[in-house]
Formats: sequence, C-alpha cells, structure tokens
Amino acid sequence: EVQLVESGGGLVQPGRSLRLSCVASGFTFDDYAMHWVRQAPGKGLEWVSTITWNGGIIKYADSVKGRFTISRDSAKNSLYLQMNSLRVEDTALYFCAKDRLAARGAFESWGQGTLVTVSS
Amino acid sequence: EIVLTQSPATLSLSPGEGATLSCRASQSVSSYLAWYQQKPGQTPRLLIYDKSNRATGIPARFSGSGSGTDFTLTISSLEPEDFAVYYCQQRSDWPYTFGPGTKVDI
Repeated sequence: EVQLVESGGGLVQPGRSLRLSCVASGFTFDDYAMHWVRQAPGKGLEWVSTITWNGGIIKYADSVKGRFTISRDSAKNSLYLQMNSLRVEDTALYFCAKDRLAARGAFESWGQGTLVTVSS
Repeated sequence: EIVLTQSPATLSLSPGEGATLSCRASQSVSSYLAWYQQKPGQTPRLLIYDKSNRATGIPARFSGSGSGTDFTLTISSLEPEDFAVYYCQQRSDWPYTFGPGTKVDI
C-alpha cells in the first residue's frame, strides 16, 4: 500500500523559512515523479512543484519560483520542499503526491498534508 | 498558462441520478486531462487520467470523455459517497493547472 507522510508544517512569520518533508513507502520511490500541491483554506487545489524520477526535470509554479526548492533523497525515500521568503499567501495545506509515471503523469496517490500558516 | 474552467460550479442532484461535469481548457491539452474527487476533510483522489482512463479501484460508474479543449466527467448513477468536489487538471504543459472545481451536492 502506498503511503505518503508529510511533516514540517507550522506557524511561521512572513519572510521566514520552512522545510517540508514527505516520507514515501509501499512503492519503489526511485521509479516515480513526485509533486507538491497546496490548498489554501476553503480554496481549490494549486500545483506547486514537480521533480521527475531522477531529478532531471524540476518545475515550479510562478507563485513560488525563486523561493521554493524541491528535492528528493532516494536513500531516505523522501521528498522535500524548502520554502524561503514565505508570504501570507503561502498559507495552505501542502500535499505530497506520487505520480503515475516516472516523468509526467497524474497525481496518483496523495498524503494527508501538512499545514503551513504564514502570519505575523 | 492553460486556464481550466469548470461548469457548473454547483450541481444539486439526488442519489440515483446521473451527473455530467464539464471542464474547458483555454487551449488544447490533447488527452492530458485528469479528474479528482475531494470529499470534505479528505485528500483528493485520482478518478480519471488521460481523459478517459479510470484509476485503480475507481467504479465503472465514473467515466471521462472529450479531447482538445472540452472534457466531461460523467457519473452514471450517483451513490451517496459521490457527493463531493470534483477538479479537473491538465498535464499538457507547464505549469500544471487545476480547474476551480464543481461541487456535487444533494
């Protein structure tokens, strides 16, 4: 069974940093692209970032480009999102999602999410 | 950026009825469109990928169709557990985008 467990969220002041983690199990982590998707309170889904199976392709939403960095560690079966220069509008539930494919497919499995609140 | 528009915003139906949800793209996404279901307080669930392929474990009452810019998610006969918000999403081009969602309620 695929399991994705996010952590690292919390309350942070604008301009500060957070690092989100997602530990994956139940599948061969190295074989799949991984994503971060967020959902602001009461709002819809917003894609944040993608990293392909080998890290060869990394993409970001314009809203986070230059501030967020996605990475993965195959030894730890983990996905990360380093979030710098956080803004109030980054407040959201952040989901880690497994792709159907190695590169560009659909978001096949989702974690429960970790809540990031940016507020002074 | 490819903008996805979903209609209607809300669909009020009864169990046993059929539902037709629409997703329109601002430019062609070929067949690279997916549908997700999200119930209150739950994580999204992949229903349909690449326009018409049901994800693992998804009941046959869910079907997807369309191509290019116009897509449809059809629920043939609503079960009580189907009342939720449905999002479409394209992977044709970066940035990936989601539609704003259609809420199917009783």
